[in-house]
Amino acid sequence: SQQGEEDPQALSIQEGENATMNCSYKTSINNLQWYRQNSGRGLVHLILIRSNEREKHSGRLRVTLDTSKKSSSLLITASRAADTASYFCATVQGAQKLVFGQGTRLTINP
Amino acid sequence: GAGVSQSPRYKVAKRGQDVALRCDPISGHVSLFWYQQALGQGPEFLTYFQNEAQLDKSGLPSDRFFAERPEGSVSTLKIQRTQQEDSAVYLCASSLDRFQNTEAFFGQGTRLTVV
Repeated sequence: SQQGEEDPQALSIQEGENATMNCSYKTSINNLQWYRQNSGRGLVHLILIRSNEREKHSGRLRVTLDTSKKSSSLLITASRAADTASYFCATVQGAQKLVFGQGTRLTINP
Repeated sequence: GAGVSQSPRYKVAKRGQDVALRCDPISGHVSLFWYQQALGQGPEFLTYFQNEAQLDKSGLPSDRFFAERPEGSVSTLKIQRTQQEDSAVYLCASSLDRFQNTEAFFGQGTRLTVV
């Protein structure tokens, strides 16, 4: 089974609105990573947050990490049609195995 | 190369046929992963290499699946006697370090269709 579980499974919003996706995990982590996948393409790394960090920003992206609740959130502000994609969180199991959740399918409506 | 390269991009195999999928990681990357992704699902871990050593193959679904990375660079995922349930996109990823403290770079994947 996958380590990360994203919530919601699907999200549809209007262009310009903010989109929030959540990820829960079960074991202790060194870091948590978020990736984006456009239809029919490979995954693209968005942001990595380390276990000693609580929040991280990259452009319109904001990631939070709550290790006490074993959860993370990804916020995309001022969404654009080009943000339409699937978003996955990933954590490392054991020492080295990078494991993904089932993803959130985000649709931005123009 | 500039990124992770996978070939072929598309493969149609008749049931029972053997297939070999190739991954060229970014030069110098220590870690290499193979994932299987069904339509609408997240990538499912198959196997992991650190240089030429296969450290984890717990995700390989059966003994028909075999992966190798003999010189610590190019990797091949082989599926013997393909079955319809093997139809999926197979993704390869590489990362610079061995502890996944840096991002993983993905190839475009190989879409395998078993008919």
